[in-house]
Amino acid sequence: QSALTQPRSVSGSPGQSVTISCTGTISDVGGYNSVSWYQQHPGKAPKLLIFDVSKRPSGVPDRFSGSKSGNTASLTISGLQAEDEADYYCWSYAGSYILAPFGGGTRLTVL
Amino acid sequence: QVQLVHSGAEVKKPGASVRVSCLASGYTFTGHYLYWVRQAPGQGLEFMGRINPNNGDTNYAQKFQGRVTMTRDTSISTAYMNLNSLTSDDTAVYYCARDCGVGGVCSDFWGQGTLVIVSA
Repeated sequence: QSALTQPRSVSGSPGQSVTISCTGTISDVGGYNSVSWYQQHPGKAPKLLIFDVSKRPSGVPDRFSGSKSGNTASLTISGLQAEDEADYYCWSYAGSYILAPFGGGTRLTVL
Repeated sequence: QVQLVHSGAEVKKPGASVRVSCLASGYTFTGHYLYWVRQAPGQGLEFMGRINPNNGDTNYAQKFQGRVTMTRDTSISTAYMNLNSLTSDDTAVYYCARDCGVGGVCSDFWGQGTLVIVSA
């Protein structure tokens, strides 16, 4: 399965906003409104941040938001905090569960 | 509270098989699909497949078809992932994760993972 394309790294200062992109094709990101985003701190399991492109589970701060345009989904983190420093992954439905690609992951550094 | 508890770390030789278990609690086991996702050291997440604990139906990622088997035992709320013909490329942390129940791909609870090391 081909991974979705994410930038390897992004960075920002506390209080700033950053956006992480996740680019796929019409067969996955562009074709379905099922993109979820996960935060993973070192040595920990992933944590769900966003599902169905832009929905937030209860308990996730509204500093985290998701959107999609065409074949690219995006995660925006506003009001950056030190604890946001982590790896972030997108995951998209692709019409079946034979292919369900994750993004390659993005390392967020809070300067 | 929802919990997914994995079996302990495994060390296997190339060509062997491994079985990882995932004990679910805090919710109705048969009410949510379970995904299996793996992560090689320093690498990203990789979808392996999913199982419907209600009836045992499975969907396997194309890459793993023929080599992975996912099963469950509803009497003890436990899911299993068996991977055979191991190579060093299968060294990874293997996670089970509960489906959110909204369709598509979404996992709202993850286990702590099981480290599988494949080494001669």
